[in-house]
Amino acid sequence: GAVVSQHPSRVICKSGTSVKIECRSLDFQATTMFWYRQFPKQSLMLMATSNEGSKATYEQGVEKDKFLINHASLTLSTLTVTSAHPEDSSFYICSARPGPRDRTYGYTFGSGTRLTVV
Amino acid sequence: EDQVTQSPEALRLQEGESSSLNCSYTVSGLRGLFWYRQDPGKGPEFLFTLYSAGEEKEKERLKATLTKKESFLHITAPKPEDSATYLCAVGGNNDMRFGAGTRLTVKP
Repeated sequence: GAVVSQHPSRVICKSGTSVKIECRSLDFQATTMFWYRQFPKQSLMLMATSNEGSKATYEQGVEKDKFLINHASLTLSTLTVTSAHPEDSSFYICSARPGPRDRTYGYTFGSGTRLTVV
Repeated sequence: EDQVTQSPEALRLQEGESSSLNCSYTVSGLRGLFWYRQDPGKGPEFLFTLYSAGEEKEKERLKATLTKKESFLHITAPKPEDSATYLCAVGGNNDMRFGAGTRLTVKP
């Protein structure tokens, strides 16, 4: 089946530093990947849509200069949290769909990254 | 704007006690309704996709159904290992909108 690998699974960083999270599709090509944020006991909130070879599309209220997204290849998207602050602490999850019109599978999610900013 | 509402927020069952989770949605045009299972500290795990009213899908103790306004996830004779948060989402082509989820606890 389709697999999405996300790294790192956990990261602790100091306030003011930047953190990069990687999302890879291991056995399929993904022209589009999605980045979500999830607070404890809350649902996933779509942050941005990452498009290979072009700029990401950000949801309303998401600072594009703070959450930098790069989708340099068909199998890799990265999310960089710049100048992180404690309020950026959250669970970040990426997803991708195998094939633009593949109705067999739903979106496949990475295992998530727990970011703690101290 | 697409909206997804799940109920109940939390559900506690005894092992073997069957029940159903609800997902109500309002969308401009349904492009797919998705059910996921999420364990603590992990990403969602895909369960089902439903595309049209009347469609049903089954997987082990789980059965998902779809109407024009809502979807149900039926759990038959649940086991403790079925304990998780179950997420419903609508979307398809470009993105998905998630409900807040139902936290299911199955007691042995």
